[in-house]
Amino acid sequence: KAGVTQTPRYLIKTRGQQVTLSCSPISGHRSVSWYQQTPGQGLQFLFEYFSETQRNKGNFPGRFSGRQFSNSRSEMNVSTLELGDSALYLCASSLAAGRNEQFFGPGTRLTVL
Amino acid sequence: GNSVTQMEGPVTLSEEAFLTINCTYTATGYPSLFWYVQYPGEGLQLLLKATKADDKGSNKGFEATYRKETTSFHLEKGSVQVSDSAVYFCALFSGNTGKLIFGQGTTLQVKP
Repeated sequence: KAGVTQTPRYLIKTRGQQVTLSCSPISGHRSVSWYQQTPGQGLQFLFEYFSETQRNKGNFPGRFSGRQFSNSRSEMNVSTLELGDSALYLCASSLAAGRNEQFFGPGTRLTVL
Repeated sequence: GNSVTQMEGPVTLSEEAFLTINCTYTATGYPSLFWYVQYPGEGLQLLLKATKADDKGSNKGFEATYRKETTSFHLEKGSVQVSDSAVYFCALFSGNTGKLIFGQGTTLQVKP
């Protein structure tokens, strides 16, 4: 069974631009969560989607948004990029909402110049 | 609130040495506990888990026991290999928030 896939793997953007990251969960998994990883803050939860609905949200500004499609694929969008948004963005999938076993993709490395 | 604290790294060991990475947690209720491993340039891989007190998770020679009385979930391996060099993250899952909460990560370097 294929794992979690994320595209693109690397992105370079400039301040003020916006970016969209994509995540395809493991086949049969219906919940997708997003995490941001930075050297300073470590791994922080962004949001969780299940059945096309956002179930939980972390403590990030409104510039960070996401959505989930009927096939469980998810996208996250960051608008008006700031230098501090440079990070590894990780997507994790699980069978259902509230299921604790989450499987991570390889991440998208975003660099904001 | 819920939190996870790991021992600071880096941890440098010789091949075949014994490994312990300490992890303690603060949580309400009965969270599930995890160890994830991250190799350079990759995402997180689930290494092992435990869902209730006294459970022992194990995988690839790594073990950790869920100790409720000491709120700990220390990672151990009897004989490390160079290929175990990576960053290890302890995490808890809180059902009421639906998210994983991670420790800061511990870098392990194993020298031949």
